[in-house]
Amino acid sequence: AQSVSQHNHHVILSEAASLELGCNYSYGGTVNLFWYVQYPGQHLQLLLKYFSGDPLVKGIKGFEAEFIKSKFSFNLRKPSVQWSDTAEYFCAVTPPGNQFYFGTGTSLTVIP
Amino acid sequence: KAGVTQTPRYLIKTRGQQVTLSCSPISGHRSVSWYQQTPGQGLQFLFEYFSETQRNKGNFPGRFSGRQFSNSRSEMNVSTLELGDSALYLCASSPANGVNTEAFFGQGTRLTVV
Repeated sequence: AQSVSQHNHHVILSEAASLELGCNYSYGGTVNLFWYVQYPGQHLQLLLKYFSGDPLVKGIKGFEAEFIKSKFSFNLRKPSVQWSDTAEYFCAVTPPGNQFYFGTGTSLTVIP
Repeated sequence: KAGVTQTPRYLIKTRGQQVTLSCSPISGHRSVSWYQQTPGQGLQFLFEYFSETQRNKGNFPGRFSGRQFSNSRSEMNVSTLELGDSALYLCASSPANGVNTEAFFGQGTRLTVV
């Protein structure tokens, strides 16, 4: 069965620090890759997505992610976090067929 | 365009009861998926409906069932509720046939089983 691993369960950073959240998946075929964010009390929102093409994708709010096919990874990065980035972040993978496989999430707390 | 709407937002039920949750997808979206979100488990896939047919199913017991109507609205039913069913249930809709599409999520229904 397909799985998605997020290595960091809880991350605490100070404002202006750089962020990298790891995501690895197990599926040998073509996949679509996503990062979703859930701000406190809000619904899941799409941060960025990768379908094909340039493996470095840019999303909203200064986030970016790099798809490394050989490592089955899709890590999320942001050069300088803000207090408003405090949220839960989920990596998701969809093999063809529209079923999303989500990681267990990473809770990010940014200290002002 | 209105987003994905889930009703009710909050529910408290007693063990052994059954519950029905509703999801109205974004207009024009034909695929609706359901997820169970619990702390530490992330989002667990329940099932996905497309054009009134269940297309994918996760590893949940038969107490969890769903259906989709001709207008793409979907309902999820949980029978014989257990304490462990307490969770946030999320509905997501996507446009078409699952190729290169993203999922749009509702705010969820918070179910508490006591």
